[in-house]
Amino acid sequence: GQQVMQIPQYQHVQEGEDFTTYCNSSTTLSNIQWYKQRPGGHPVFLIQLVKSGEVKKQKRLTFQFGEAKKNSSLHITATQTTDVGTYFCAGGEAGTALIFGKGTTLSVSS
Amino acid sequence: SAVISQKPSRDICQRGTSLTIQCQVDSQVTMMFWYRQQPGQSLTLIATANQGSEATYESGFVIDKFPISRPNLTFSTLTVSNMSPEDSSIYLCSVGTGTSYGYTFGSGTRLTVV
Repeated sequence: GQQVMQIPQYQHVQEGEDFTTYCNSSTTLSNIQWYKQRPGGHPVFLIQLVKSGEVKKQKRLTFQFGEAKKNSSLHITATQTTDVGTYFCAGGEAGTALIFGKGTTLSVSS
Repeated sequence: SAVISQKPSRDICQRGTSLTIQCQVDSQVTMMFWYRQQPGQSLTLIATANQGSEATYESGFVIDKFPISRPNLTFSTLTVSNMSPEDSSIYLCSVGTGTSYGYTFGSGTRLTVV
């Protein structure tokens, strides 16, 4: 079955440093979604990428979808303490359940 | 995007008992999904619940242990039956309401079995 790998598992940065998490799928994805889960919270949708090579930005966050639609990345520029949490990538066909990567837990020290 | 009300938010239960978790959605949705999340871990899909048909369970999860009801397009329940400490986890329901909005999750039920 489909598997979604995500690295690194943990990342600690100083406030102001950049952060990147990478996601790889064993199969071609129709789309990939990214979620953020704050400590003690539930996953919250950030963005969906659909097209090969797609790049989307949300303020300091940049999301990329690979040309082969098998990998994706999330890059945060100049991290802030509010960026703390676990970032999950998830793949799945439209109308079906999402398959989640293991997540990258980001901690930020000021 | 949809809003989900999930109850209870947490519970401590005795082993051997059962707990039913409820999710109410503020709009009609075809499919609802139930996930389990162990502390510090990722989300594992338990089952997909369609209205009017039996839920579809993922490998490792069975209906006798996790019976699901889906009586209408806005409501679903997941029961954790004959609980053991290994069932201690966070249980989440989720719905997808359109590709632009991703999937919405309930706030989760933190279950501790003692």
